[in-house]
Amino acid sequence: GNSVTQMEGPVTLSEEAFLTINCTYTATGYPSLFWYVQYPGEGLQLLLKATKADDKGSNKGFEATYRKETTSFHLEKGSVQVSDSAVYFCALINNAGNMLTFGGGTRLMVKP
Amino acid sequence: ETGVTQSPTHLIKTRGQQVTLRCSSQSGHNTVSWYQQALGQGPQFIFQYYREEENGRGNFPPRFSGLQFPNYSSELNVNALELDDSALYLCASSLDRGYTDTQYFGPGTRLTVL
Repeated sequence: GNSVTQMEGPVTLSEEAFLTINCTYTATGYPSLFWYVQYPGEGLQLLLKATKADDKGSNKGFEATYRKETTSFHLEKGSVQVSDSAVYFCALINNAGNMLTFGGGTRLMVKP
Repeated sequence: ETGVTQSPTHLIKTRGQQVTLRCSSQSGHNTVSWYQQALGQGPQFIFQYYREEENGRGNFPPRFSGLQFPNYSSELNVNALELDDSALYLCASSLDRGYTDTQYFGPGTRLTVL
């Protein structure tokens, strides 16, 4: 079946540091890939997505590139802010389009 | 444009009881999916409804059931509650059921089973 593995947290960074959160996946066919963010006490917000190989999703300074050859979708940001502190989830959707499969989440803490 | 809304925000039940959670989808969206998120974990897919019909189900027992109404709002019903059902229940709506259709999540309902 499909699965998503992402680096365990927490990841603690100083403001303006470079961020990478690794995500790899196992899936049949050609899934779409997503990063969602969850702020404390809230639901999930879509951060970015990519629907085919070599696509780059980007939003609010975050980027991720769909790498089919390495089955990866790593999240990056050049300069994090305190307001980026949250839990980040990597996810894929199957070809039937009905089921998102999530990784376990990575908590990011950014200190001033 | 109104986003996905869920009610209630919090709920406390005792083991063996039944619960109904509600979700209003985003305007124009005909597909609703439900997820269970245990503390410290990623969400797990429960099921999806498309135009009032179930369109896929995850690895959850039959005591988890759902409905979708003609206005595309949805309910999740859980019978015979168990302690392990304590979780955040998330509803997501999408424009359609295709795999390129993004699922937009509501704020969730926090269920505590005592």
